[in-house]
Amino acid sequence: DTEVTQTPKHLVMGMTNKKSLKCEQHMGHRAMYWYKQKAKKPPELMFVYSYEKLSINESVPSRFSPECPNSSLLNLHLHALQPEDSALYLCASSLFREQAEAFFGQGTRLTVV
Amino acid sequence: SQQGEEDPQALSIQEGENATMNCSYKTSINNLQWYRQNSGRGLVHLILIRSNEREKHSGRLRVTLDTSKKSSSLLITASRAADTASYFCALNSGNTPLVFGKGTRLSVIA
Repeated sequence: DTEVTQTPKHLVMGMTNKKSLKCEQHMGHRAMYWYKQKAKKPPELMFVYSYEKLSINESVPSRFSPECPNSSLLNLHLHALQPEDSALYLCASSLFREQAEAFFGQGTRLTVV
Repeated sequence: SQQGEEDPQALSIQEGENATMNCSYKTSINNLQWYRQNSGRGLVHLILIRSNEREKHSGRLRVTLDTSKKSSSLLITASRAADTASYFCALNSGNTPLVFGKGTRLSVIA
């Protein structure tokens, strides 16, 4: 199994809603990542988990809250988002945080209305 | 952490032609990776080249790395319409996770 599975594929939420994005991998990878990608831009790193501990937070606003319940799962909790947060949210995993190729999920297309 | 710079930003070629895109960077790296992204979906890993390697091949893909010039190139030979996508280089430097360049949008016209 070389897949990273993200759910949902599409999400429309209001600015007062609370929602969660989910990511799952069963490759035994110990590093997991959240990236945010706006149209025609490269993916921008948001968070890195290494061995289920948050190791990097790229100054992301607190309305985005990551969670790593176990080594296979990664969540991104969303609350009080703004329209400018609309983007493609990509989850990725790699064997270790350094020097390894990353496997990406298909992303969640988020629209904040 | 540094970001690679891809060149050109956009490339349009005929099916069967070769496509070359370049990535330049500024500081030392452990490895450089190339990814493809179709229609704003997930990225697919293509090739990883380590700093002590000069060239790697995978099918119709050829990647070179010149650490003295701090640059890499991705060559796609005999391109197909299905190769139409955005291509990103990603740098791995020391203890930092991948940082993606701005990408090259490749259009292959049948």
